[in-house]
Amino acid sequence: EPEVTQTPSHQVTQMGQEVILRCVPISNHLYFYWYRQILGQKVEFLVSFYNNEISEKSEIFDDQFSVERPDGSNFTLKIRSTKLEDSAMYFCASSGGQFNSPLHFGNGTRLTVT
Amino acid sequence: GDSVTQMEGPVTLSEEAFLTINCTYTATGYPSLFWYVQYPGEGLQLLLKATKADDKGSNKGFEATYRKETTSFHLEKGSVQVSDSAVYFCALSDPGYSSASKIIFGSGTRLSIRP
Repeated sequence: EPEVTQTPSHQVTQMGQEVILRCVPISNHLYFYWYRQILGQKVEFLVSFYNNEISEKSEIFDDQFSVERPDGSNFTLKIRSTKLEDSAMYFCASSGGQFNSPLHFGNGTRLTVT
Repeated sequence: GDSVTQMEGPVTLSEEAFLTINCTYTATGYPSLFWYVQYPGEGLQLLLKATKADDKGSNKGFEATYRKETTSFHLEKGSVQVSDSAVYFCALSDPGYSSASKIIFGSGTRLSIRP
């Protein structure tokens, strides 16, 4: 069964540094998402992306965050200047876009900001 | 706004016990409802879903029925196994949002099954 893949599985960075989290969604999917889960807390929506533009974003997704689909396969989340509170598990997801089609999640990237 | 409330964990049961994890929702439209499961060290996997009132989603022995009158989607399993130990998330997707139907998650319930 096709799956969403994320790299790296774990990223450690220093406060103030830029990080790029990478995702390869399922190939025929049209909608792409980033979520995050701070340790022990709720899974929170960050952003959705369709047709090469952001469809919706949460209040968490401020100017420090950006997303890009640089080619036909990758979907990236960039954090320009990381803060300690950005430490979390970041999940990428994709969906086919049909009504009520479920989201398929990757295994996540654990980001640790020191 | 839309939200999902589920029972707090952790829930600890013995193998072969009956499981219920309660979930209620608030939504402005007619949401689809989901249960996702997160096994240790892994991502979120769709366990089951229901798209309209009175639908029953089922998978791997788990069931949940979409109850519009009580705005609930409780997860049940008749006989749990050690391998069911995971975190379970109730979630909704409201088609009233943009065409990219984002999912709103509950806070998750950690389930531990004793042999």
